Amino acid sequence: KAGVTQTPRYLIKTRGQQVTLSCSPISGHRSVSWYQQTPGQGLQFLFEYFSETQRNKGNFPGRFSGRQFSNSRSEMNVSTLELGDSALYLCASGPVGTDTQYFGPGTRLTVL
Amino acid sequence: EDQVTQSPEALRLQEGESSSLNCSYTVSGLRGLFWYRQDPGKGPEFLFTLYSAGEEKEKERLKATLTKKESFLHITAPKPEDSATYLCALRGNTGKLIFGQGTTLQVKP
Repeated sequence: KAGVTQTPRYLIKTRGQQVTLSCSPISGHRSVSWYQQTPGQGLQFLFEYFSETQRNKGNFPGRFSGRQFSNSRSEMNVSTLELGDSALYLCASGPVGTDTQYFGPGTRLTVL
Repeated sequence: EDQVTQSPEALRLQEGESSSLNCSYTVSGLRGLFWYRQDPGKGPEFLFTLYSAGEEKEKERLKATLTKKESFLHITAPKPEDSATYLCALRGNTGKLIFGQGTTLQVKP
């Protein structure tokens, strides 16, 4: 089975711009979660989607948003980028009936 | 508030020198405790899920154990390829996956 895929893998943006990241979960997985990883804060939960509905949300400002499509693919959007948004953004998917999540390779976002 | 604390932050071992990584936690209603391995620039790789105190799981040189307050990842006779950051995470009643800061393991030949 193919793993979680994320596109693009690398992205460079400037302050004030917006960005959209994409995630394709493992086939059959309906839960998709997003995380931000930085050296200072570690891995922090952004939000979780299940069957196109946001099921849970972390403590991030409203500039961070996401959605899930009927095929379980998910996107996250960050508007009005700030320097502090530079991070590795990770997507994870999980099968129904378990709490285990499997991570993709991440998108490295650099904000200049 | 759900919390995960990992120790030590960094660990250097000689090849073959066994050791343990610690994950202390507080949680409201544990739904699962997870161990991941992360190599530089890559996403976390799933290792184990533990659900209740007393549970143990093994995979090659790794063994994870769980008590009501801690989890340990025991590494037996490590090899240089075991060098990585090991992450502990838990999911409680909030449903959110909360991660510790990780332990960076370096195994020297």
